[in-house]
Amino acid sequence: DTAVSQTPKYLVTQMGNDKSIKCEQNLGHDTMYWYKQDSKKFLKIMFSYNNKELIINETVPNRFSPKSPDKAHLNLHINSLELGDSAVYFCASRPPGLADYEQYFGPGTRLTVT
Amino acid sequence: LAKTTQPISMDSYEGQEVNITCSHNNIATNDYITWYQQFPSQGPRFIIQGYKTKVTNEVASLFIPADRKSSTLSLPRVSLSDTAVYYCLLSGGYNKLIFGAGTRLAVHP
Repeated sequence: DTAVSQTPKYLVTQMGNDKSIKCEQNLGHDTMYWYKQDSKKFLKIMFSYNNKELIINETVPNRFSPKSPDKAHLNLHINSLELGDSAVYFCASRPPGLADYEQYFGPGTRLTVT
Repeated sequence: LAKTTQPISMDSYEGQEVNITCSHNNIATNDYITWYQQFPSQGPRFIIQGYKTKVTNEVASLFIPADRKSSTLSLPRVSLSDTAVYYCLLSGGYNKLIFGAGTRLAVHP
């Protein structure tokens, strides 16, 4: 009965490859997010997606693209992977409401680019 | 863009009360103050949120002075399992949930 799940948990790949990370939430939330946590443990928001409205952090390269097949899923596609993309990626979701504060995070996907 | 400042690390012992203070001098009127906890190899977990004065739940208390330029997370009687990174952040919109470096709390026996 995991609330927010991500697959895979670990992903090792080579530079230049294209990969996807899947995220699913069974909480009925209407907003989902992707975050990147680098080696220094800084957690930065990449995208938020709500009712088909995508809000992008302008610092995110366009090699990253979120795709939402339905309200319960927000997958992250990454093209032409680079060494600097190595990090832990977290998916999160939020219940409906005005405040953005209470988010439910997945367990993370550790991406290693070699 | 509002940001927060908190100690990089803290040490405590089991059974003690731990207070982690966060500075947010440029907090906006519509910002809420939120604290998250993160254990190694896990995603952050929401602990508590407040706007002003004091908020208490089963896990922690949050003290916010009238000027809202700082806040203090209080963890009563910590145990070893409270060893984690604690993030103070401001939130007021889709893109305003900004995580800082966090405070690494180490609880010792």
